Amino acid sequence: DVKVTQSSRYLVKRTGEKVFLECVQDMDHENMFWYRQDPGLGLRLIYFSYDVKMKEKGDIPEGYSVSREKKERFSLILESASTNQTSMYLCASKTGTGATDEQYFGPGTRLTVT
Amino acid sequence: GQSLEQPSEVTAVEGAIVQMNCTYQTSGFYGLSWYQQHDGGAPTFLSYNALDGLEETGRFSSFLSRSDSYGYLLLQELQMKDSASYFCSGGGATNKLIFGTGTLLAVQP
Repeated sequence: DVKVTQSSRYLVKRTGEKVFLECVQDMDHENMFWYRQDPGLGLRLIYFSYDVKMKEKGDIPEGYSVSREKKERFSLILESASTNQTSMYLCASKTGTGATDEQYFGPGTRLTVT
Repeated sequence: GQSLEQPSEVTAVEGAIVQMNCTYQTSGFYGLSWYQQHDGGAPTFLSYNALDGLEETGRFSSFLSRSDSYGYLLLQELQMKDSASYFCSGGGATNKLIFGTGTLLAVQP
């Protein structure tokens, strides 16, 4: 069964802290994504990766960076957390590059920055 | 810019049929996908339209008209468990997908 896991369901961090969100998929997918989800705004793409060590900016990359050292793992890094980064963070993966290819989502990490 | 517009809320009764619309403003769209998300859960894939027309999967159908930049998701024989948020998603030749703001469907007994 297809599985995407995220390191934490809930996380509370202080302003200025460096935050790591981890995502692991077991489907050997080439493509992995990080989104944030806020009420009324839907899912917004932060970064995505189409191969190991490869990354591309999404629509809202400011304040974030990513790392993909292994195919199955994609990390989102908040270099210096701020309160406006309080949100639900969703990781997803898929195979292929088609716009209609199914994305498999993890359960999400609800991050609160105080 | 690129955007997908969806009504924020829809209410329907159990057993009925409901249509949730998605209009988009973008060039070079290669198709539309639909995802369901229950409260507190992860989005799950429902269907996609790579070509114009209607695609049916059980109680769910999805429609796309690229000339009208419009699509919809149709749910038949509504059940209480269908209460969820529904997102349309689209993109071009790359992996950079855009999601709509979502429609919250409330199914009432």
